[in-house]
Amino acid sequence: SQQGEEDPQALSIQEGENATMNCSYKTSINNLQWYRQNSGRGLVHLILIRSNEREKHSGRLRVTLDTSKKSSSLLITASRAADTASYFCATDGGAQKLVFGQGTRLTINP
Amino acid sequence: GEEVAQTPKHLVRGEGQKAKLYCAPIKGHSYVFWYQQVLKNEFKFLISFQNENVFDETGMPKERFSAKCLPNSPCSLEIQATKLEDSAVYFCASSSLLGANVLTFGAGSRLTVL
Repeated sequence: SQQGEEDPQALSIQEGENATMNCSYKTSINNLQWYRQNSGRGLVHLILIRSNEREKHSGRLRVTLDTSKKSSSLLITASRAADTASYFCATDGGAQKLVFGQGTRLTINP
Repeated sequence: GEEVAQTPKHLVRGEGQKAKLYCAPIKGHSYVFWYQQVLKNEFKFLISFQNENVFDETGMPKERFSAKCLPNSPCSLEIQATKLEDSAVYFCASSSLLGANVLTFGAGSRLTVL
């Protein structure tokens, strides 16, 4: 399977609820990033967490990283309709390029 | 500029025809990346440049794909003799720092091969 696999593939929740997405990867990393893709648009960088960090916050976003399990999670709190998008994790794996997973499609229902 | 500009937004080609896509990275960014996204799924890395030099081309189908980043010109990705499976959205991204870099993506160019 690919480096940076997201779980679940699709998630539908009510506005105001929290959304959690998970990412697993295979090789060692220097950092892990999360990106958002709105329909018909390119990726937008959300947050970067380094391999020596365990948790990072940015506004309503909370990212955790467990290098022993080679996994990361993205939590969006108090979701809004505008959060509807696909979310991708990306790892560098020391290969000087980002490798993206297949993404989680998040739908926020009003 | 402060955005990665990709043209055209949509390109339609008949199978076997040539397709050429362009990308103007953010001014001051030395690294350019091309990715292919098929059916809104994962992003497949194609090639990266450091200024006008190819840095990593391990993702390129070399027999039909080529790319350039020449000084004072937009970068380009060219597909000779397109095939149906080349239908995808091609994204260009640029970065100022290789390694722990944050990529800034363009809006993509959708290629439809009929």
